[in-house]
Amino acid sequence: EVQLVESGGGLVKPGGSLRLSCAASGFTFSSYSMNWVRQAPGKGLEWVSSISSSSSYIYYADSVKGRFTISRDNAKNSLYLQMNSLRAEDTAVYYCARGGTTTTVVTPFDYWGQGTLVTVSS
Amino acid sequence: SYVLTQPPSVSVAPGKTARITCGGNNIGSKSVHWYQQKPGQAPVLVIYYDSDRPSGIPERFSGSNSGNTATLTISRVEAGDEADYYCQVWDSSSDWVFGGGTKLTVL
Repeated sequence: EVQLVESGGGLVKPGGSLRLSCAASGFTFSSYSMNWVRQAPGKGLEWVSSISSSSSYIYYADSVKGRFTISRDNAKNSLYLQMNSLRAEDTAVYYCARGGTTTTVVTPFDYWGQGTLVTVSS
Repeated sequence: SYVLTQPPSVSVAPGKTARITCGGNNIGSKSVHWYQQKPGQAPVLVIYYDSDRPSGIPERFSGSNSGNTATLTISRVEAGDEADYYCQVWDSSSDWVFGGGTKLTVL
């Protein structure tokens, strides 16, 4: 059974940093692209970042470019999102989602974790 | 940047057909994916590559894509279909883009 479990969310002050993790199991993690998607309270889905299976291709939404860094450790079956210079508008539930097995990231998100809440507030 | 436009809400009676649209410039040339999200839950992929259904998704869910509009069609709507629905595409300039979401209400 495919499982994605996010962790690392919490309350952080504006300008602070946080590192999210996503532990994957039930599939060959190293073969799949991975993604982060967020959802602000009461709002829609917003794509944040994607990384290909071998980390060769990395993409960021303009809203987080230069502040967030996506990475993965295939040996540990884990996906990460380092978030720096956090702003109030980054407050959201952050989901990790599995992509596909192509070499790119252009595949639908077929499994999602339950999300971790990040709150940026003083 | 590429924009996907969805109606904020769609209402349908049980047993009828619901159609949720997703508008975008020449969206017919792109692959559209659809997600269902129920309150307090993570999104679930219900249609991918315009019209394919993942295993476990009822045949009542179907999709089409042409011109400037993609459509998610839910036939014989049930109370359990009440949820928010999001379309998604990859655009070479904008990367991944989600529509604003449509709240489906079953009357």
